[in-house]
Amino acid sequence: VQLQESGPGLVKPSETLSLTCAVSGYSISSAYFWGWIRQPPGKGLEWIGSIYHSGNTYYNPSLKSRATVSVDTSKTQFSLKLTSVTAADTAMYYCTRHGGMGGSIAYFDYWGQGILVTVSS
Amino acid sequence: QSVLTQPPSVSGAPGQRVTISCTGSSSNIGALYDVHWYQQLPGTAPQVLIYGNSNRPSGVPDRFSGSKSGTSASLAITGLQAEDEADYYCQSYDSSLSGVVFGGGTKLTVL
Repeated sequence: VQLQESGPGLVKPSETLSLTCAVSGYSISSAYFWGWIRQPPGKGLEWIGSIYHSGNTYYNPSLKSRATVSVDTSKTQFSLKLTSVTAADTAMYYCTRHGGMGGSIAYFDYWGQGILVTVSS
Repeated sequence: QSVLTQPPSVSGAPGQRVTISCTGSSSNIGALYDVHWYQQLPGTAPQVLIYGNSNRPSGVPDRFSGSKSGTSASLAITGLQAEDEADYYCQSYDSSLSGVVFGGGTKLTVL
């Protein structure tokens, strides 16, 4: 299983951040959760949101009003949209796969290499 | 302020044993949600080290072990090696937030 993020590395304040994660070696529609995690420079990890293979979505309450995770109709990639960005959204963004939300398999077993997104005018 | 609390840093000499704590509450670790641990080497994506409180994925040395009790969990590393120098994160689920939560991370320095 391989995951690869893509998207602009620079986004202007108040605009929408849009990232895509291409998945190879596994079908998104088969099983698992597919999620996004971010890490501001020099700081810790923050879960943004995830989509289950059935289409149900789950979000970090602190970002829920601004974040949308969706699966592409091709079922080979999923996306993140984050609206009204500010400098505080500058971070490395990782796309990931995880087995659940709270159980023994709810860990992130595959990660993309990450993409650095800077919010600046 | 992270929902799960980890010490910012720990250190140890080669060959020694260190532990990293992850303290939560009754809505996450104390609610019997599993804890998972990740190792993040400089400039790379995190990798799972321990899942389901105490299970090691294939390829992870048995020098790494995890445990959980009450509202806390711990990661132990024995026989410290220079290559263990990294950031370590715990992860669980919080029922009050209805979402995945991480600890703030612990930087391990091998002296």
